[in-house]
Amino acid sequence: KAGVTQTPRYLIKTRGQQVTLSCSPISGHRSVSWYQQTPGQGLQFLFEYFSETQRNKGNFPGRFSGRQFSNSRSEMNVSTLELGDSALYLCASSGQGRLNEKLFFGSGTQLSVL
Amino acid sequence: SQQGEEDPQALSIQEGENATMNCSYKTSINNLQWYRQNSGRGLVHLILIRSNEREKHSGRLRVTLDTSKKSSSLLITASRAADTASYFCATVWDGGATNKLIFGTGTLLAVQP
Repeated sequence: KAGVTQTPRYLIKTRGQQVTLSCSPISGHRSVSWYQQTPGQGLQFLFEYFSETQRNKGNFPGRFSGRQFSNSRSEMNVSTLELGDSALYLCASSGQGRLNEKLFFGSGTQLSVL
Repeated sequence: SQQGEEDPQALSIQEGENATMNCSYKTSINNLQWYRQNSGRGLVHLILIRSNEREKHSGRLRVTLDTSKKSSSLLITASRAADTASYFCATVWDGGATNKLIFGTGTLLAVQP
């Protein structure tokens, strides 16, 4: 099985722009989660989607949004980019998102905001 | 912050030695997981220990869990240069509905050949 695929791998944007990141989960996985990783704040949960519905959301401003399609692929969007949004954005998938399921992570999208 | 803490923040050892890293967390948990990350890439799942388990083994990895102290440790035996990476513990809250992970701060392990 192919792993979790994230595109693009690197992205450079300027303040005020918006960006869309894409994630294709492992085939058959229906739960997709997003995490932000920065040197200062570490790894933080953004949101989780299952069957096209957001089931869980982290403590991030409304500029961060996401969605999931019927084939379980997911996108996250960040509008009005700020310098502090520079980070590695990681997508992870699991079968059903149950408590005891491990997560499979993609390689991430490295976003730099100038 | 709900984030857990790990210590040490960084660890340097020689190949063949054992590496031990510790994790403390704040909430009651359903399970605790350990992940490895190489050079800022994606995380790889290593092991999951449930809240009613005290010890678990997987190959050269040994994980212990003490829920009374809200702490866990990861032992890597007979380390190899390829074990060089950052290691993160992550907890799943037992009151949650999904496997949302709360990560620790991580331990950077360097294994010298």
